Amino acid sequence: NAGVTQTPKFQVLKTGQSMTLQCAQDMNHEYMSWYRQDPGMGLRLIHYSVGAGITDQGEVPNGYNVSRSTTEDFPLRLLSAAPSQTSVYFCASRTPGPPYEQYFGPGTRLTVT
Amino acid sequence: AQKVTQAQTEISVVEKEDVTLDCVYETRDTTYYLFWYKQPPSGELVFLIRRNSFDEQNEISGRYSWNFQKSTSSFNFTITASQVVDSAVYFCALSDPSGSARQLTFGSGTQLTVLP
Repeated sequence: NAGVTQTPKFQVLKTGQSMTLQCAQDMNHEYMSWYRQDPGMGLRLIHYSVGAGITDQGEVPNGYNVSRSTTEDFPLRLLSAAPSQTSVYFCASRTPGPPYEQYFGPGTRLTVT
Repeated sequence: AQKVTQAQTEISVVEKEDVTLDCVYETRDTTYYLFWYKQPPSGELVFLIRRNSFDEQNEISGRYSWNFQKSTSSFNFTITASQVVDSAVYFCALSDPSGSARQLTFGSGTQLTVLP
C-alpha cells in the first residue's frame, strides 16, 4: 500500500512550457485534490475531484487543468507555465466519510524560470 | 467562508522550553474537523491530530497537547520540553464537513525553530 504518490519530485520549467504533474493513490478514495504551497500562505486548493469524471475548481485554479479518468489517478496540467506557478504542489486523497482524513503525497517542487 | 489564522509567523525557543502555537478559525458550520500538520525541513506533511467540533476535550500525546475551545474558536498546540527535532513548520487546518467543496482550509503556518 503506497498511499499517495507524486512524480516528479523536482521540476524546472521555462516560461511557456507545459507539463503534467502526476498523482496516484491506491486507497480507492473517491475524493482527490491538488494544493499549492507558497511561503507565508499555507496550502491553497487548486482543483479537486469527487470521483472519476467529476472535477471542480478550488481557490486558485487559473493556469491549471485537471481530469479524472480513473479513481486512482488525478494529474495536474500546466498548459503554459509562468513564474507565478513556482511553488510546491501537494496531491491529496481523503476518506469519503468522517473524519474526512486527508492523505498527502510527498510533494513536487516546481520552479518556472 | 472558512478561515484559519495562525498569527505567529515564526517562533524561536531554546531546547526544553515549552511553546504554544496558536490557531484561530472561522466557520459557519456547526460540524467541522480541525487538524494540525507538521512539515519538517524534508518537506512532507505529517498528520499530528484531528478533532471534531463536538469533542472539546483536551488531548495529550507525549510532549504534545492540544487545547480546543469552541467559545473562542481556537485550537492551540503546545509542545512541552521542546527538542531540536521539533523544528518545523506547523499548519492548522479546518475541514469542510460536507466534503464536496473546499476540502481543507489551511492557516499560513508557524515556523518553529528550537535552538540547542
